[in-house]
Amino acid sequence: SQQGEEDPQALSIQEGENATMNCSYKTSINNLQWYRQNSGRGLVHLILIRSNEREKHSGRLRVTLDTSKKSSSLLITASRAADTASYFCATVTRSYNTDKLIFGTGTRLQVFP
Amino acid sequence: EAQVTQNPRYLITVTGKKLTVTCSQNMNHEYMSWYRQDPGLGLRQIYYSMNVEVTDKGDVPEGYKVSRKEKRNFPLILESPSPNQTSLYFCASSRVGAGGSVYNEQFFGPGTRLTVL
Repeated sequence: SQQGEEDPQALSIQEGENATMNCSYKTSINNLQWYRQNSGRGLVHLILIRSNEREKHSGRLRVTLDTSKKSSSLLITASRAADTASYFCATVTRSYNTDKLIFGTGTRLQVFP
Repeated sequence: EAQVTQNPRYLITVTGKKLTVTCSQNMNHEYMSWYRQDPGLGLRQIYYSMNVEVTDKGDVPEGYKVSRKEKRNFPLILESPSPNQTSLYFCASSRVGAGGSVYNEQFFGPGTRLTVL
């Protein structure tokens, strides 16, 4: 079942520009995570934001969470060519005393030098 | 170096020939899981394990088996592979956090690209 859906599906920008990716989800969450995947490789955890948090920063990354709109955004400032990758949001929900982690389908980011 | 390793990284096989993909982590994580990644479908969980000898089905378990005899290892077994199991497979692990939550930062292996002819 699809919980997180990223928007846009693909994004192309120039180095130095900011990149914004959005994630919408359907049910209440415990936390929301963002991951990066370089082409064909394993996912790398970027940041985790809990349901009672509204904003979090890590280096050039800024994540916001709006639980009333069931949405999150990932902002990468001053992008670099090395930021070229796919970015996934993953939501953690709790159902019947079991946590469930569901990944979205991702946003492909291309940063041109 | 903290890591999750998978072997093999690439595998081409034929329908019905049993295969095992190994996964090992060196972080003493209790929780381990397997995902498959297919275009347009994102990552889907196959099986997961809360600890040694404790495994459970994820969203797409049909055609797969797992075992967790040791904390560090979590092999994925395809008893009779079929072409629809052609996919990119990832193993992941994480610690169990406060309140028993397992979904903290997930550490992923590099992936195994499987082709079943």
